[in-house]
Amino acid sequence: AQSVTQLDSHVSVSEGTPVLLRCNYSSSYSPSLFWYVQHPNKGLQLLLKYTSAATLVKGINGFEAEFKKSETSFHLTKPSAHMSDAAEYFCVVSVNTGGFKTIFGAGTRLFVKA
Amino acid sequence: SAVISQKPSRDICQRGTSLTIQCQVDSQVTMMFWYRQQPGQSLTLIATANQGSEATYESGFVIDKFPISRPNLTFSTLTVSNMSPEDSSIYLCSVQGTSGTAILNEQFFGPGTRLTVL
Repeated sequence: AQSVTQLDSHVSVSEGTPVLLRCNYSSSYSPSLFWYVQHPNKGLQLLLKYTSAATLVKGINGFEAEFKKSETSFHLTKPSAHMSDAAEYFCVVSVNTGGFKTIFGAGTRLFVKA
Repeated sequence: SAVISQKPSRDICQRGTSLTIQCQVDSQVTMMFWYRQQPGQSLTLIATANQGSEATYESGFVIDKFPISRPNLTFSTLTVSNMSPEDSSIYLCSVQGTSGTAILNEQFFGPGTRLTVL
């Protein structure tokens, strides 16, 4: 079975400070892992993905995530937050068991203070 | 990649009526899904739309309430039947699988349909 846990429902940072959004997963198969961002009243946008290649994955807008199999984690980071980063972030695990099975995390709302 | 459009983008409906949402993809894809995102919540998979056969529904969702059609590899519809205020959500179409000769190992999402039921 697969599951994904986003450890924080809300994260608040000041502009220019680092961002850390935490995600742990559980999977019986080799998973693909993703982070999506959803800005208010906008669609879902893929930030980055891990699909069994390099464990440190760089995405758009300066975000990156590191796949740590020993810790079953895929935390999302950014060195310096920008006001435009304020949004909802979803960690997603997907496995191909003859058909794709995709599980969404509950989401983390990122607030960025001026 | 795949570009997905949905119609309508939003609607306000009366209790007891039905609404059909359309999803159009710019290329043939093997797998299409419908998700629901209730206010302030994450995404929940409603069903997988199967081309030429009945959709595969997740636990808690039934065909009578959410009939789905998929007549070809680029188009699907989701109907929300006999609506109540609890059906107020964003409904999203998503695709994955293969698009032409490309393998899509992530899901692409449509912009969503924001439904409000009064």
